[in-house]
Amino acid sequence: GAGVSQTPSNKVTEKGKYVELRCDPISGHTALYWYRQSLGQGPEFLIYFQGTGAADDSGLPNDRFFAVRPEGSVSTLKIQRTERGDSAVYLCASSSIPNTEAFFGQGTRLTVV
Amino acid sequence: SQELEQSPQSLIVQEGKNLTINCTSSKTLYGLYWYKQKYGEGLIFLMMLQKGGEEKSHEKITAKLDEKKQQSSLHITASQPSHAGIYLCGADRGAGSYQLTFGKGTKLSVIP
Repeated sequence: GAGVSQTPSNKVTEKGKYVELRCDPISGHTALYWYRQSLGQGPEFLIYFQGTGAADDSGLPNDRFFAVRPEGSVSTLKIQRTERGDSAVYLCASSSIPNTEAFFGQGTRLTVV
Repeated sequence: SQELEQSPQSLIVQEGKNLTINCTSSKTLYGLYWYKQKYGEGLIFLMMLQKGGEEKSHEKITAKLDEKKQQSSLHITASQPSHAGIYLCGADRGAGSYQLTFGKGTKLSVIP
């Protein structure tokens, strides 16, 4: 596609439920990043993929968060047993080469009620 | 960990005025990125600076990375309502790290 696509754009879920957030990067981009942005804050790094492998997952807050990128293209961020504190905008970005211009998607606004 | 402080937190300017946004790091900057974000949208890449003293311009926006590489400034000349939004600076940690640390952003409003 022309840009990074994230679905859904909005997700409301009940506390304790499981959610999946999808990111479709720009075709051919091998580097993919997930960030989380809370209201009034800058994005916070979660995880970085180079190809299919998670090269850096040091930003994942705890073991309820997990991300995959099985074929080196689409990535899914999975959150188990959601908590109200997980409410935020989850941003995905991709780049052709690491540490260069990264293109961000519109984000998924997650609300845990 | 590296921290980025942006100033001012918010800014209201009259259309046509010039303005500057600053980004100060607690550590040496290896790569400094400027992004713009509008409410409900993703980040739009503006510029990337890597070398001390480097300066880049795009249309009416100029970004500089100071010689000591711990501060960057973003300057907008003759501001327009289309410049309104949140400006974020992000820095990479160097040493093979691929994650960016972002500041909290500067909210710019331009009054017609």
